[in-house]
Amino acid sequence: DAGVIQSPRHEVTEMGQEVTLRCKPISGHNSLFWYRQTMMRGLELLIYFNNNVPIDDSGMPEDRFSAKMPNASFSTLKIQPSEPRDSAVYFCASSLMTSGGEQFFGPGTRLTVL
Amino acid sequence: AQSVTQLGSHVSVSEGALVLLRCNYSSSVPPYLFWYVQYPNQGLQLLLKYTSAATLVKGINGFEAEFKKSETSFHLTKPSAHMSDAAEYFCAVSDGHSSASKIIFGSGTRLSIRP
Repeated sequence: DAGVIQSPRHEVTEMGQEVTLRCKPISGHNSLFWYRQTMMRGLELLIYFNNNVPIDDSGMPEDRFSAKMPNASFSTLKIQPSEPRDSAVYFCASSLMTSGGEQFFGPGTRLTVL
Repeated sequence: AQSVTQLGSHVSVSEGALVLLRCNYSSSVPPYLFWYVQYPNQGLQLLLKYTSAATLVKGINGFEAEFKKSETSFHLTKPSAHMSDAAEYFCAVSDGHSSASKIIFGSGTRLSIRP
């Protein structure tokens, strides 16, 4: 199994630009999670989906952030417009409910907003 | 509501010494508990998980954790530390019972190994 796939692995952009992060979950998993990790705040859950439906987006910091899951094999996290304080590592994880909630993480996307 | 507390943001041990990383949880339902490890510039990897079977759980790389309900603890141990164990470790809790369970992560403990 290829595991959770994230792209790009690194993204450098300028303030005000739109950024789109992509995630392909493990085939057959029915839940998908987006996290953000920074030194200051640690690991934060931004939003999660179950069966492609957003369940809880209370962790999304602002309206500049949006996430979609158009099908079971693809999700995007978009930041528009981006700001320097959005610089972080963004992780996607997927899970299968019957596995007891265990999540499998992707390698992350390191975002730098200049 | 569920929560996890990791005691000690940084632990340093000598190579070959016992590793003990502490975790206490709070849950209103029988919990599922996890330890994840994160090596530099990588995502989180599952070390081990407790899902109401045996209270002593063995994981990868020689780690194990014991679920103690009376103490609401799930401490992670390894008898003999290796240099390659240097990483960040996260304790996490999930109810695992609903149709859309999420995991609550602790703040992490950075483990350093002294030669």
